[in-house]
Order: sequence, then structure tokens, then C-alpha cells
Amino acid sequence: DIVMTQSPDSLAVSLGERATINCKSSQSVFYSSNNKNFLAWYQQKPGQPPKLLIYWASTRESGVPDRFSGSGSGTDFTLTISTLQAEDVAVYYCQQYYSTPLTFGGGTKVEI
Amino acid sequence: QVQLQQSGPGLVKPLQTLSVTCVISGDSVSSNSVIWNWIRQSPSRGLEWLGRTYYKSKWYTDYAASVKSRITINPDTSKNQVALQLNSVTPEDTAVYYCGRVVAGNGAFDSWGLGTLVTVSS
Repeated sequence: DIVMTQSPDSLAVSLGERATINCKSSQSVFYSSNNKNFLAWYQQKPGQPPKLLIYWASTRESGVPDRFSGSGSGTDFTLTISTLQAEDVAVYYCQQYYSTPLTFGGGTKVEI
Repeated sequence: QVQLQQSGPGLVKPLQTLSVTCVISGDSVSSNSVIWNWIRQSPSRGLEWLGRTYYKSKWYTDYAASVKSRITINPDTSKNQVALQLNSVTPEDTAVYYCGRVVAGNGAFDSWGLGTLVTVSS
């Protein structure tokens, strides 16, 4: 199984400042045949299901604000919120879909 | 706009069978370009993928090894729904259960049900 490790577990960021979340996979999730990283990012608010933000490591889902961006390749990935808004307070998860079982990171709680 | 409407009992006794259904609107359970998944979330286990089903000329299912001996995921084309059954449950199976859609082309879970909290307790 591919183990996904996120850091930090939580972080406090001032409004308007940058938040950076890291995700590391225990093996590469890059598929050379299509040149894609099989990595997604989700946002989850209390009482709600996760919401897809980013897929293929860096492609923003339709309707997601452009302050959210994803980067990285192979085993190391980053989700960046460029200017934190109050509505961005949530837990963020990375997930690999390179191989089954599909696996998630443990989550990073972002607070103001 | 796809919607996934979940239903199921909130309380299940140990060793009994947990059943949750996911009724799909705005898409077809037998679409060739979609995979239907079940995921659960608990404080102790985090987000855990349980299994999936999809149709490509015939039906396929994949299950996580952690539940493979106890789980069944069944598509129902007449009701346009997908059902989860988990047998011989224990308190460790207490979780919020979600159905989730994956569309070919992005690979990630782009639509989720609202979740069903299932508590295993006598």
C-alpha cells in the first residue's frame, strides 16, 4: 500500500497570508506513460464530505478559487493557499490514485 | 449536476450486517466513464477507501484488503444506485460512510454523498 504522510498536522495562518501543506508518498505516484502524477487534494469542513480542490497534482477543479494551487512530482507534493481567507479554515487531505488501495494522508488542519 | 443521496440505519449491532445505499441522480451507475466508490471516515482510521465498482462491458469490483472478506458492493441499474454491505461488524467499523464518484479523465473523487454515520453498538 502507498502510505501518504502530510505535514504539518496543523498550522495557524493570518488572514491574507500564505499557507503551505506538504504531502509525501511512500512510493512514486508519477505514471510515465501519460506524464501525470496521480495525486489529489481535498478540503473538508466540519459536517461536510471532502471537496475536491486539485487533481493530477496541479489541475484545479472547476470553480475552485485560483488562490489554491498544487505542485510537486514523484513522491513530494505541496498545496498552497496564496492568501488565506476566513472560509479556507478546514482540514486538507492529499490522496493518491496511482494504485489500489486508494489512500489518503492524515490531514492538515488550517486555522486562523 | 450529479447528486448522491445516501441512506442507511444509523445503528447496527455487533456481528450484524451494515447496509448503506447511494442513489445516483444526474449520472448513470452503468456509465462506462465512471467509477463508484465507498469510503469511510473515523477518528481512529482517518479516510479509508473500502472499494469500488464500475462497468466496462461487464461489471468489475475491487475491494480493500482490510475488508475484503466482509464487503460487498452491488450496483443496481433498475434503481440507479450502488449499495454497500459490510458483514460481521465490530465497534471498529463505526464511521461515517461516503459514496464517491470518480470520472475517467481526472481520477479523483469529484462528487461525494453527504455521508451516513453508522455506529456499531449493542
